[in-house]
Amino acid sequence: ETGVTQSPTHLIKTRGQQVTLRCSSQSGHNTVSWYQQALGQGPQFIFQYYREEENGRGNFPPRFSGLQFPNYSSELNVNALELDDSALYLCASSLNHYEQYFGPGTRLTVT
Amino acid sequence: AQRVTQPEKLLSVFKGAPVELKCNYSYSGSPELFWYVQYSRQRLQLLLRHISRESIKGFTADLNKGETSFHLKKPFAQEEDSAMYYCAPYYAGGTSYGKLTFGQGTILTVHP
Repeated sequence: ETGVTQSPTHLIKTRGQQVTLRCSSQSGHNTVSWYQQALGQGPQFIFQYYREEENGRGNFPPRFSGLQFPNYSSELNVNALELDDSALYLCASSLNHYEQYFGPGTRLTVT
Repeated sequence: AQRVTQPEKLLSVFKGAPVELKCNYSYSGSPELFWYVQYSRQRLQLLLRHISRESIKGFTADLNKGETSFHLKKPFAQEEDSAMYYCAPYYAGGTSYGKLTFGQGTILTVHP
C-alpha cells in the first residue's frame, strides 16, 4: 500500500507569482484535504475534494484553488503569492473523508 | 466558532512518569475527536480516535462531553513518546464537512 506523497519537497517563489503543489493520495482513498501549517502553529484547513468536487472550504481567499483528478490525486494552486503564504502545505487523503492520512508536506517560501 | 485549545505548549516529564496532554474543544453538534502525533522528522500521523476506544502505544483518551474535553493520557511515559501532539476534532456536516480543526499542539519531552 502506497502512502500519501507530495511534490515538490521545497519551493521558493517570489511575491506575486503563482505556485502549484501536487499530492498523490493513498491507494483506495477518494478524498483529499489540504492544510496550511505556519511555523509554530497547528495545520489550518484550506479545502477538501471528494470525487473531483470541492466539498468544504476554510477561511482562505479565492486565490487558493484546487483540483482533484479521476485518479484522486490533487493539486493546490495559489495565485498572487504573498509573504504570509510561506508555510508547510500538507495534503491528507482518506476514504470518504474519514480518517485522514497525511503526506510529508511541501515547504513553500515566498520572498 | 469551532475552537480547540491545548493549553500547554510544552510539557516535560521523566521516563516512567504519568503524562496527560490536555485538550478542550468548542463545538456545536457532536464532532469526532482525534489525536495526531508528529515525531521528529516524520509526517503527521493518526494516534487514536475516540470512537474506536483503542489504546495505541499505551495512550488513551477519554471524551468528556460535559466538559468538552478530550485529554490524552499515558500511565508510564517513554523516551520515544517525545513528539508534537495535536488534538483535532473532526466535524462532518454543513460548511465544515470533512474538516479537521487542529489545536496549536503540545511538545512533549520525556527525559531519561
